[in-house]
Amino acid sequence: GAGVSQSPSNKVTEKGKDVELRCDPISGHTALYWYRQSLGQGLEFLIYFQGNSAPDKSGLPSDRFSAERTGGSVSTLTIQRTQQEDSAVYLCASSPRGGSYNEQFFGPGTRLTVL
Amino acid sequence: AQSVTQLDSQVPVFEEAPVELRCNYSSSVSVYLFWYVQYPNQGLQLLLKYLSGSTLVKGINGFEAEFNKSQTSFHLRKPSVHISDTAEYFCAVSAQNRDDKIIFGKGTRLHILP
Repeated sequence: GAGVSQSPSNKVTEKGKDVELRCDPISGHTALYWYRQSLGQGLEFLIYFQGNSAPDKSGLPSDRFSAERTGGSVSTLTIQRTQQEDSAVYLCASSPRGGSYNEQFFGPGTRLTVL
Repeated sequence: AQSVTQLDSQVPVFEEAPVELRCNYSSSVSVYLFWYVQYPNQGLQLLLKYLSGSTLVKGINGFEAEFNKSQTSFHLRKPSVHISDTAEYFCAVSAQNRDDKIIFGKGTRLHILP
C-alpha cells in the first residue's frame, strides 16, 4: 500500500514569507508526528497528533510554527515569517495507533530552504 | 525527560569487518529503545526495537542490539558489514506508559570502506 507522502518535496522561499508543508499519513494510522532534521543535529521532535488532537506541542520552536490535522488524516505544518534558521528537512511519520512502542513510518521529507 | 547520546558522528569500517555503533540514554523511568536507519536518499525505517523481555534484540539486515540497563546503553552491532550498510543510523528512546514522544539521537554515519 501507499506509504507516508509529503509535499512539496522541495520548497525555496524568501525570508519573511509563510510556508505550508503537507503530510498524508498511511491510511488508518491514528498517530502522526512532525520532526525537523538539520545537518548534524539529528531529528528534532516538533509535534504529534493522536487523531486530530495534539497532546504534545512542546517541540514547536516558536509561535511562528503551528500545525493542524483534519479528519484524522492529512496534516499541515505552517511556518510564518520564515527565517534562515528554519532551513531544514521536515519529516512526517505516522503510526497505526498511539503508544510510543509502535514503529513510526516516515515520509521522504520536505526540504525547506529560506533565502 | 529522556535524552539520547550517540557519541560517534561518523564510523568508518572496512567491508566484512564487525561494527558497533554506540548509544547511551538517560531517563528517570523505564524506556523503550529503537534503532532507525536512513539509507542515502531514502526515508527512515525501523531496524529494531526493545520493548521488554530478552535484552538481545535482532533486527533486519543482520543487525542486533543489546539493552544494558545498568550502563543505560543500547549499542547496535553487526558481525560483518556490507557496502549496502552505508547509511545514517539513529538511536531513539521513549518513556514507557507515558506520552508518544520519541527522542532521537543525532545519528551516526556509517562509512563502509572497500
